[in-house]
Amino acid sequence: NAGVTQTPKFQVLKTGQSMTLQCAQDMNHNSMYWYRQDPGMGLRLIYYSASEGTTDKGEVPNGYNVSRLNKREFSLRLESAAPSQTSVYFCASSEQVNQPQHFGDGTRLSIL
Amino acid sequence: RKEVEQDPGPFNVPEGATVAFNCTYSNSASQSFFWYRQDCRKEPKLLMSVYSSGNEDGRFTAQLNRASQYISLLIRDSKLSDSATYLCVVNEKGYQKVTFGIGTKLQVIP
Repeated sequence: NAGVTQTPKFQVLKTGQSMTLQCAQDMNHNSMYWYRQDPGMGLRLIYYSASEGTTDKGEVPNGYNVSRLNKREFSLRLESAAPSQTSVYFCASSEQVNQPQHFGDGTRLSIL
Repeated sequence: RKEVEQDPGPFNVPEGATVAFNCTYSNSASQSFFWYRQDCRKEPKLLMSVYSSGNEDGRFTAQLNRASQYISLLIRDSKLSDSATYLCVVNEKGYQKVTFGIGTKLQVIP
């Protein structure tokens, strides 16, 4: 089992460009999450999906959209990238919302 | 006050030492608690859940103090391989929210 798979691992964008970060899990988990991690800030929740068909805002949702495509996949979209969105993005999944989370390897995103 | 607070460290300890980290949380209705470990430039990985009665896994002991609203992680006989950042995680009851602490950096020195 691969666990949680994120693509791409690295990406450089120009300000104003759009892109979608992909995440898939093969553990049959109900809940999925997107975080960003910045130095001195820790992990901050962007959006989460408690179960297939639902999505909710986290702590820092502005500038992002998500899609829970099916039970396995949860994508994060930046419609118009800004330098403030330069960060490491982690996707995670868990059986239910209050259960331990399993993380992907992360996507290192730089916006120039 | 931050919802979940940790001393960022770094804690520099010699091999074989015992070290303890605390993590305080502000919401008394918090329901579940975890410790994660994160190595440099890697993803967080679950270290252990924290149960009300306290729990132990080898050299690691986790405890919960609901009255004072903190959780703790004790590492005995520190190894070089324990060097990492330790993140505490708090889930709020009745509200689907997960909050990560900023993490405490541990450096075990030979």
